[in-house]
Amino acid sequence: DIVMTQTPLSSPVTLGQPASISCRSSQSLVHSDGNTYLSWLQQRPGQPPRLLIYKISIRFSGVPDRFSGSGAGTDFTLKISRVEAEDVGVYYCMQATQFPSTFGQGTKLEIK
Amino acid sequence: EVQLVESGGGLVQPGGSLRLSCAASGFTFSTYSMNWVRQAPGKGLEWVSYISSSRTTIYYADSVKGRFTISRDNAKNSLYLQMNSLRDEDTAVYYCARGVVVTDYWGQGTLVTVSS
Repeated sequence: DIVMTQTPLSSPVTLGQPASISCRSSQSLVHSDGNTYLSWLQQRPGQPPRLLIYKISIRFSGVPDRFSGSGAGTDFTLKISRVEAEDVGVYYCMQATQFPSTFGQGTKLEIK
Repeated sequence: EVQLVESGGGLVQPGGSLRLSCAASGFTFSTYSMNWVRQAPGKGLEWVSYISSSRTTIYYADSVKGRFTISRDNAKNSLYLQMNSLRDEDTAVYYCARGVVVTDYWGQGTLVTVSS
């Protein structure tokens, strides 16, 4: 199975400041079809996961443009340009290039 | 509006069985692959099982293989997970989620507690 490793596991951020989460996979996530199936999910407290970004950098419907994704191969990053109170929660990277789909451990974003 | 609503969770003794359901609406269910993903209390996400739109392809996590069975009824817009020989470590919130390479919609989840 592909192992997904996120850093940091906890990220205290000041409101209005940027935040960044890294995700590294144990092998390349480039699929044989040429796409890279790396997604970012947000889970607010008491809520189910919600898709933010898919295929590295495509924002899902309704996701604010302060969220952006980047990376390639085995190294990926989620950035929030200006953190808002509603961004508090746990963020997961997820790969679906190879079965089984696997998730990072999660990064808890909290406000300082 | 896409909606996925899980049901069927509850308290069950070790060795027992439970059947989860996921009712889908707001999209053409028969054209989408579906998944079950679980989350143990205070823990991260773990993919459990996958079924293709036409039921021809099915996968399971090693942790549930031989004990869980995924199925779907496209006429009823419903996804199922039959869970047998339940163990303490199966305690989790179980989510149904749409899609294969992009899992775009998730249900609210249903809690399964395995305890004596």
